[in-house]
Amino acid sequence: AQSVTQLDSQVPVFEEAPVELRCNYSSSVSVYLFWYVQYPNQGLQLLLKYLSGSTLVESINGFEAEFNKSQTSFHLRKPSVHISDTAEYFCAVSSQGGSEKLVFGKGTKLTVNP
Amino acid sequence: EPEVTQTPSHQVTQMGQEVILRCVPISNHLYFYWYRQILGQKVEFLVSFYNNEISEKSEIFDDQFSVERPDGSNFTLKIRSTKLEDSAMYFCASTGTGFNGELFFGEGSRLTVL
Repeated sequence: AQSVTQLDSQVPVFEEAPVELRCNYSSSVSVYLFWYVQYPNQGLQLLLKYLSGSTLVESINGFEAEFNKSQTSFHLRKPSVHISDTAEYFCAVSSQGGSEKLVFGKGTKLTVNP
Repeated sequence: EPEVTQTPSHQVTQMGQEVILRCVPISNHLYFYWYRQILGQKVEFLVSFYNNEISEKSEIFDDQFSVERPDGSNFTLKIRSTKLEDSAMYFCASTGTGFNGELFFGEGSRLTVL
């Protein structure tokens, strides 16, 4: 079974500041890793994913995440945030070649203040 | 851009009543899912559906729950006799040719059981 821990339930930052949203996972098998974002009054949208290959993955809007197998982490980072990045961010895992279900963390609410 | 649509956006019901939540997945998608999020808790997998049958379900998805694809476009979740603890946001999701973590989620249906 897998589990995901997002230690920070809320992260307030000022516009143009860097941010890191932490995600740690637990699994007895190899995993795929994902970050989903939920903007106010919208559904969950895939932000980025790690399936294989390069451990650093990037999104089109400047976020990046790095898969660290030894630390079982997949932290999300952005060097300079915008007001429009205000949203809830969910880290998720699924097992490679096995169950197709996603196991989510509790989410981190990122609030970007002017 | 194609999207997953869910109705109703919010439903209030009395304990013991039957509820049907409806979803219209993206038209060429083949895999369908229901997830739920109780307020303040994690997004949890309920069930996956492929080729007109359940492919996987969680321990939450007991005999009170059922899913159906009654026609070529709708995907429904029925709760036969609602309990207070069924109050949650229910998310429908779909994906195309195979699972690679990129689920397309609807905006959710909030169910309140009184």
